[in-house]
Amino acid sequence: DAKTTQPNSMESNEEEPVHLPCNHSTISGTDYIHWYRQLPSQGPEYVIHGLTSNVNNRMASLAIAEDRKSSTLILHRATLRDAAVYYCILRSGNQFYFGTGTSLTVIP
Amino acid sequence: NAGVTQTPKFQVLKTGQSMTLQCAQDMNHEYMSWYRQDPGMGLRLIHYSVGAGITDQGEVPNGYNVSRSTTEDFPLRLLSAAPSQTSVYFCASSPSGWGTGELFFGEGSRLTVL
Repeated sequence: DAKTTQPNSMESNEEEPVHLPCNHSTISGTDYIHWYRQLPSQGPEYVIHGLTSNVNNRMASLAIAEDRKSSTLILHRATLRDAAVYYCILRSGNQFYFGTGTSLTVIP
Repeated sequence: NAGVTQTPKFQVLKTGQSMTLQCAQDMNHEYMSWYRQDPGMGLRLIHYSVGAGITDQGEVPNGYNVSRSTTEDFPLRLLSAAPSQTSVYFCASSPSGWGTGELFFGEGSRLTVL
């Protein structure tokens, strides 16, 4: 069974915020939550990661639920370059467990 | 700024043939790993290594062998290719073998087994 569950696809208007949800109800206390994104014909690219607290970086914000069973990746102002497949991943020790990803379409 | 380099980018094999997918990184990363990506699915971990001489299995290791003789290189071997191994393969490295290290991916190798 997949360790993370994400919607298959989402749409957003350009320059509006986007909230990408992820459920990871079987997460253990030492698992890190990572987000990566993948453009067509490229390898995944790191976006952000966290353990318990909300995290911000230049690309995005990560909001982690208090019980850690879900998280949300927030893109503050979507641009056309943000159109990609976004993967929510659990890092458990040395292993990364990818979900099936959310395909984000940005509408001009 | 080479990062993670994978070769070849494309390969067609016949069932039963063997081949090696090469992966090299120039960032002195201890952790290296191989993934496969099938249509409509996320990436699945095949094998990983936390340093030279140390390898371990991931989610889908059957049919694949790895070795890590140097920090820089982590080749993936298919000893007897099967059509079920048709996939896109990604190599990734990380400066850390534990939770906080981000993964740096290569551009992928597309393998077709006939």
